[in-house]
Amino acid sequence: DTAVSQTPKYLVTQMGNDKSIKCEQNLGHDTMYWYKQDSKKFLKIMFSYNNKELIINETVPNRFSPKSPDKAHLNLHINSLELGDSAVYFCASSQDLWVSGGTDTQYFGPGTRLTVL
Amino acid sequence: DAKTTQPNSMESNEEEPVHLPCNHSTISGTDYIHWYRQLPSQGPEYVIHGLTSNVNNRMASLAIAEDRKSSTLILHRATLRDAAVYYCILRGSSNTGKLIFGQGTTLQVKP
Repeated sequence: DTAVSQTPKYLVTQMGNDKSIKCEQNLGHDTMYWYKQDSKKFLKIMFSYNNKELIINETVPNRFSPKSPDKAHLNLHINSLELGDSAVYFCASSQDLWVSGGTDTQYFGPGTRLTVL
Repeated sequence: DAKTTQPNSMESNEEEPVHLPCNHSTISGTDYIHWYRQLPSQGPEYVIHGLTSNVNNRMASLAIAEDRKSSTLILHRATLRDAAVYYCILRGSSNTGKLIFGQGTTLQVKP
């Protein structure tokens, strides 16, 4: 069983389109994250949710809207896609960031490679 | 957030030990030292973490300097599958759970 899964694995789309990436974890974790890895392989946090509540929004453009329908899912919707949005997007989860005190470990999905043409 | 410094790249021969260094001179007393690695075309995966004492698990060992200003990730017998980017990350008890990735160390393992 895959612990953290993302769909789709690859996404190719035109500028200006709207797209969504889905993430699901079957680990029973309370906290989920989205990270972006750009073309220079630099990984950066975008959002985190704990128990469906937004905790971190790292100055991401409001074209990006995460949605957490339940604790096991954190989807990422992107409006009006731009060339600069091309990247690999990773979803991750951890048990509970508030309880961990810096010890929790994050489990990452396989990534979604988004290409905007 | 305290910063870490790692060499950009390292090479190792297969089946030999590898010592990956990390400097974190501004570490605070409550910061944990975490290591993650990212294999090619995969998401990052947790390797090990520690606070003050050295730690061992099935993947690696973590040696932490007495003053905690540096640490070393030790792979006891490198395999080709260990070729990856290794990230040393500090996690504070007060942070919001985010991992702050640096450029990491790209480890190349030669057969």
